[in-house]
Formats: sequence, C-alpha cells, structure tokens
Amino acid sequence: EAGVAQSPRYKIIEKRQSVAFWCNPISGHATLYWYQQILGQGPKLLIQFQNNGVVDDSQLPKDRFSAERLKGVDSTLKIQPAKLEDSAVYLCASSLANTRVHEQYFGPGTRLTVT
Amino acid sequence: AQTVTQSQPEMSVQEAETVTLSCTYDTSESDYYLFWYKQPPSRQMILVIRQEAYKQQNATENRFSVNFQKAAKSFSLKISDSQLGDAAMYFCAYRSAYTDKLIFGTGTRLQVFP
Repeated sequence: EAGVAQSPRYKIIEKRQSVAFWCNPISGHATLYWYQQILGQGPKLLIQFQNNGVVDDSQLPKDRFSAERLKGVDSTLKIQPAKLEDSAVYLCASSLANTRVHEQYFGPGTRLTVT
Repeated sequence: AQTVTQSQPEMSVQEAETVTLSCTYDTSESDYYLFWYKQPPSRQMILVIRQEAYKQQNATENRFSVNFQKAAKSFSLKISDSQLGDAAMYFCAYRSAYTDKLIFGTGTRLQVFP
C-alpha cells in the first residue's frame, strides 16, 4: 500500500512570494490533515478535511493560507504572501473515517524556508 | 484546552540499554487516546505505540512499552534493548475521542550510542 505522498520535499522562497504544496493521501482515506511544524516544536494542525469538506480550520491563518481538496482526494495548501515566520515543515496526514481510533498516517513533509 | 508537555529536550542511551521518555498531559476529558510518534531525520512521523484511556493495561509493541498513569496524567515510553535505529525525535500526542485533532508535545531527541 502506497503511503501519503507530498511534493515538493524542499522549497526556498523570498518573503512576500507565494508557494503551494501538494498532498496525495492513502487510497480510500476520507480524512486529510495539514500540519505545520516549526523547528523545535511539535506539529500543529492547520486544517482538516473530511472528503472535500472542511472539518476544522480554526488554526489556519486565513489571511494568507488557503487549502482545498477538490474531488475529495488530493489537496493543496497555499501561502500567499509568505512571511519569515512561515518557515517550517508542512506535514500532510490521512486517516480512514468512521473508525474509533482514526490512526493518522503521515507523509514525508515539505520543508519551507522563507528568506 | 488540552496540553501535552515533554520536559526532556534530549536523552541519550547506550545501545542495548533501556531508556524512558516522559510525557504529561492535561485534559478534563475521560475518553481519549495517547500516542508516541517517532520522527527520524527523514521527517516522516511514524506511530510507535497507542494507548486508549479507558484501557487500564499498558500498551506494548515489541521493545516499546508505556507506563500510563491516568490519575497522574502521565504517559511515559520505555524503549528496551535500544538500537541505533531508534535514534530520532519522539513526540507524545493526545487526541480526544470526540475529535480527530492531534495535540503534540515539543518532542524529545533521543541519541543512541554504540
């Protein structure tokens, strides 16, 4: 079974530029998550999708971050314009819906550096 | 709001020895899950072990076991017979039984020396 795929693995941009990350979850996983992991910290949930609907985006900085999950499969996370403090690893995870445990499987992440 | 605290930024252990990583959490809920994740330099978070709060028996997975103290809100991870491949960041995480949101601690970096 293929795992969660993410691209790119690394991205370097200048502040005020825009950037987009892509995630392909495990086949059949209805729930998809985007996490931000700043250096020295644990991951923080940015947004959770159930199929193509948003379940939780309470910690997403909506003035500059946006995310979509068209057709309930792949997802993109965009930052526009980027700030220095957006430098972090962006992790995507997916899980099966309708199970009590909802174990999340993580992708390899995208390391973003904003200069 | 729930919080997870890992008070050991770094730990080290000799190969084949045993090490314990500490985690405490705060919640007012009674039904929840606790997890330990391993994050090697490749950055991919790998689930090591899971504990369901309503189960009194401590979870074990091969060389990994937990000491779950619900009343004390403590959830430590014991790694026995440590191997070089165990070197990584270890994150403790909490999830309410009513949401999917994982709340992570700040992590403990484990070094394993030959």
